[in-house]
Amino acid sequence: DAGITQSPRYKITETGRQVTLMCHQTWSHSYMFWYRQDLGHGLRLIYYSAAADITDKGEVPDGYVVSRSKTENFPLTLESATRSQTSVYFCATGTGNQPQHFGDGTRLSIL
Amino acid sequence: SQQGEEDPQALSIQEGENATMNCSYKTSINNLQWYRQNSGRGLVHLILIRSNEREKHSGRLRVTLDTSKKSSSLLITASRAADTASYFCATDANDYKLSFGAGTTVTVRA
Repeated sequence: DAGITQSPRYKITETGRQVTLMCHQTWSHSYMFWYRQDLGHGLRLIYYSAAADITDKGEVPDGYVVSRSKTENFPLTLESATRSQTSVYFCATGTGNQPQHFGDGTRLSIL
Repeated sequence: SQQGEEDPQALSIQEGENATMNCSYKTSINNLQWYRQNSGRGLVHLILIRSNEREKHSGRLRVTLDTSKKSSSLLITASRAADTASYFCATDANDYKLSFGAGTTVTVRA
């Protein structure tokens, strides 16, 4: 009963490097979301997806790329990491006007 | 920009006391949700209240919604040490995306 799994849990990388955060769900929920959580800001939506091959920008999409070729996976890529992208990243799934289910997050540090 | 704003930012109470936190938002909503986050973990859903509802209960949790004032409150009764966590309100403006506030950190002292 894994539900939603994020990997890695912790990642340290350098500025300018590409890094991909993985999110996998076992429920077949249509919606998937990526948030970042920073002190004083709560969670901010980066990108979301309504179904496979359908993605759209959230509040803070700059510097990030997503794809969703399969319903169960929703990877988030930082194409050229910057220090301002140091954060905790959460993936979530949902089925519309229902509560979202969150993973345990990836703590990303960019040096 | 954040839709919800929680108040207070932090709350410290004695075990057995009640904890109340408030959330204000700016635009019309379809529903409002409350989540809990324990340290180092993801958010866990607590209660969803729809725009046509005024009050909802779940165990020791009571949520109210006043759409005329664009505000909601979460009451935790008879608090326990395990209630120590951050609590977030999130609004859904009928587009399936949630907009979160910055959260209220609750510490329950034994």
